[in-house]
Amino acid sequence: EDQVTQSPEALRLQEGESSSLNCSYTVSGLRGLFWYRQDPGKGPEFLFTLYSAGEEKEKERLKATLTKKESFLHITAPKPEDSATYLCAVQGATNAGKSTFGDGTTLTVKP
Amino acid sequence: EPEVTQTPSHQVTQMGQEVILRCVPISNHLYFYWYRQILGQKVEFLVSFYNNEISEKSEIFDDQFSVERPDGSNFTLKIRSTKLEDSAMYFCASSGTGFTDTQYFGPGTRLTVL
Repeated sequence: EDQVTQSPEALRLQEGESSSLNCSYTVSGLRGLFWYRQDPGKGPEFLFTLYSAGEEKEKERLKATLTKKESFLHITAPKPEDSATYLCAVQGATNAGKSTFGDGTTLTVKP
Repeated sequence: EPEVTQTPSHQVTQMGQEVILRCVPISNHLYFYWYRQILGQKVEFLVSFYNNEISEKSEIFDDQFSVERPDGSNFTLKIRSTKLEDSAMYFCASSGTGFTDTQYFGPGTRLTVL
């Protein structure tokens, strides 16, 4: 069974204080690892898809990296508007579209 | 930018009643999904759908649940006899060229069962 563990559960940063969120996973044949942002009461908003170890993707202040066991979401010089819950999800080779999500990391950025 | 839409945004129903949640996926997408998120918990997969049939379903998706693509634009989730524990946010998602393609989520329908 696919499993995703995200850490920390919550992270409080000062504006401009860079940090990283971790997503550890176990999956039978990784087909894709996905990062989403979720604001309260809203649907997950797509950020990145990573398919193979060593892959990196960037978007504004965010950078996602992938190894064979975990993924990191690096946040550089965050702003208050980056405050949200960040979700990690994986799809395995035996799944027909099923994404398994972690519990998420709730990020709060103080001005 | 194309997006997934869902209606209604909030549905309140009595236990035992049937509800239908509606979704309009991104227009050129062929793969469709339903997920749910109980308040304070993780997003959980319910079902995936392609070529007018279910591709995969979770243990949550029992005989009380069904999905349908009644026309070329809508994708629906029906719960036949709602239970208190069905109260959750229900998210529809769609992807374009395959199951491993990125899934884009709608804003959700909050279902409250009284």
